[in-house]
Formats: sequence, structure tokens, C-alpha cells
Amino acid sequence: DTGVSQDPRHKITKRGQNVTFRCDPISEHNRLYWYRQTLGQGPEFLTYFQNEAQLEKSRLLSDRFSAERPKGSFSTLEIQRTEQGDSAMYLCASSNYGYTFGSGTRLTVV
Amino acid sequence: ELKVEQNPLFLSMQEGKNYTIYCNYSTTSDRLYWYRQDPGKSLESLFVLLSNGAVKQEGRLMASLDTKARLSTLHITAAVHDLSATYFCAVDISDSGGGADGLTFGKGTHLIIQP
Repeated sequence: DTGVSQDPRHKITKRGQNVTFRCDPISEHNRLYWYRQTLGQGPEFLTYFQNEAQLEKSRLLSDRFSAERPKGSFSTLEIQRTEQGDSAMYLCASSNYGYTFGSGTRLTVV
Repeated sequence: ELKVEQNPLFLSMQEGKNYTIYCNYSTTSDRLYWYRQDPGKSLESLFVLLSNGAVKQEGRLMASLDTKARLSTLHITAAVHDLSATYFCAVDISDSGGGADGLTFGKGTHLIIQP
């Protein structure tokens, strides 16, 4: 297990469709984070899990966004009824002491 | 609310020159990270600074942290084209490196180094 994996790498979807992204953290890391990065900006924190517990979700951007980590291993981020403004890079990071970021999922809503 | 400000946001420089990127933050923290991002790619960890006065160097890059001034710097020595990228600083206000607030990032410094 050499790093944080995210799938898919790219996703193009039509406005109004639902999308789901997956993150597989480093296996011994019990903390997992989701971030959104729009063009020309720094990553923006969305939500945090410690094991399977979602301990911070107030910064999810709207009620269309939800995240799960059902068994404390991989996590999913779902966006319902996508809008063009959701187009961004979605990054996952896991942490034991520092933070390791995955390669991200680039979402394009057309 | 924690604010992290980087400057400059854009920097064009010639190879061989030296320059410094500044990162100011608004609340107490002993943990600051520097990342590099190439276009379309994810974040590559450069430095983790964990205490006041911390200084770390890797090749032509050197980072430092002054927690009293709430300031970190990333110094580039004798720049080369391969260092062209966007550089982000990020502040962690947790006590243990990985807490419910995650990292708060600056807007990034887009660095272009011309041959």
C-alpha cells in the first residue's frame, strides 16, 4: 500500500446527475479528509472521518454533498443533482501524523 | 476563522535568481505544511514545520517557521526551470497532526521560472 488512491481520475457528467467518488486511504491511517479545489484556488476542506465516524461535516458545501466511510477503510463522496459550479478537483487525504493526498478526481459538469 | 495568506500570488523569475514566498496566518499554530502542485496534478508534500524556529531544506528550497510572527517563508535559491509550479502553504491547528479542522490552505503562489 503505497499511497492514497482515488477513483475515478476524471468524471464528466451532465448537470442534474448524481456522481460518487471513491477514496482508499493508506491502510494504517485512521483519519480521512475530503477537499475541493477549484481553478486557481487552494484546496478547501469539506469533511473529516476518524475511523468510520464523520466528526466534521458542517463544511460540506450544501445538502447535495454527502460522504461515508462505512467500515473505517475506504470512503465515498457523493454529489447529488450536480451543478456546473460543482466542477472542480476533489481531493482525498489520509493522516496518521502528517497528511498524504491522493491524485484527485477531476469533475466536469456539462 | 483561520485565514492563510500567501504572497505573492504570482511570480515570474529568471533562472539563477533567489526569491522568497511568504505565508501569513491568523491564529496560533505550530504546524505548517508546504506543498507543490503541478498543473492538473495533486499535491506533493515538500516540508512539514512543527515548531517555532523550524528550518528545513531540500535542494534549492528552504522553509522556515516563526510561530510568534505567524509567518512561514519558502526560499528559492538559484532557481531552475523545473521548480516552476504552484506552491501552497497550509496551516494545521490540531495538536496532534490530523484533527477535525483539517488543513487550511493559502491561495497558492504560481511560480514561473524562465530560462
